Amino acid sequence: EAQVTQNPRYLITVTGKKLTVTCSQNMNHEYMSWYRQDPGLGLRQIYYSMNVEVTDKGDVPEGYKVSRKEKRNFPLILESPSPNQTSLYFCASALRSMNTEAFFGQGTRLTVV
Amino acid sequence: GENVEQHPSTLSVQEGDSAVIKCTYSDSASNYFPWYKQELGKRPQLIIDIRSNVGEKKDQRIAVTLNKTAKHFSLHITETQPEDSAVYFCAAPGFNKFYFGSGTKLNVKP
Repeated sequence: EAQVTQNPRYLITVTGKKLTVTCSQNMNHEYMSWYRQDPGLGLRQIYYSMNVEVTDKGDVPEGYKVSRKEKRNFPLILESPSPNQTSLYFCASALRSMNTEAFFGQGTRLTVV
Repeated sequence: GENVEQHPSTLSVQEGDSAVIKCTYSDSASNYFPWYKQELGKRPQLIIDIRSNVGEKKDQRIAVTLNKTAKHFSLHITETQPEDSAVYFCAAPGFNKFYFGSGTKLNVKP
């Protein structure tokens, strides 16, 4: 089954404790991206990747890192999480760019206390 | 970058009525305009999209219209049903990025 898989689904952590949210897709998509969803703000892009070893900042990249060492995986790293990063996070992939259908992961609900 | 504005933020309709959600965008180079539906607690999923070389596209009870001159596109849902209740997002591409509207929460009352 074609899908985008994120883990974990729920995470509660403390300020400053490094964490990684994993994202994997099995559709051989070149484009992958991370979004955060906050009430009234819609989906805001954090980072994106056009292909392996090619990553770039979205609109809200501060406090986040990503890597794209393999085509299927695109982890999101929070080196020192802060409470303002409490949010719902979605990973998405698309065949080549965002001019094609985006497939979203199940979401990760992160709470930083 | 692209700026996408979506209205209304909430919309309540009676079952069987029509619902219309509107979005405006700023980048005249944008050429792909999808709509995503997000049910409560679930991931966004594409329901319909339109490219800039057509003005309207229909899929059963759902249609999208595009006015490139005015830089706006709209989602039309006819004969609404309770299962249409969800948050709907429009989107438009910028340079290698994607910009989503802030979402419309549609409530269809039985």
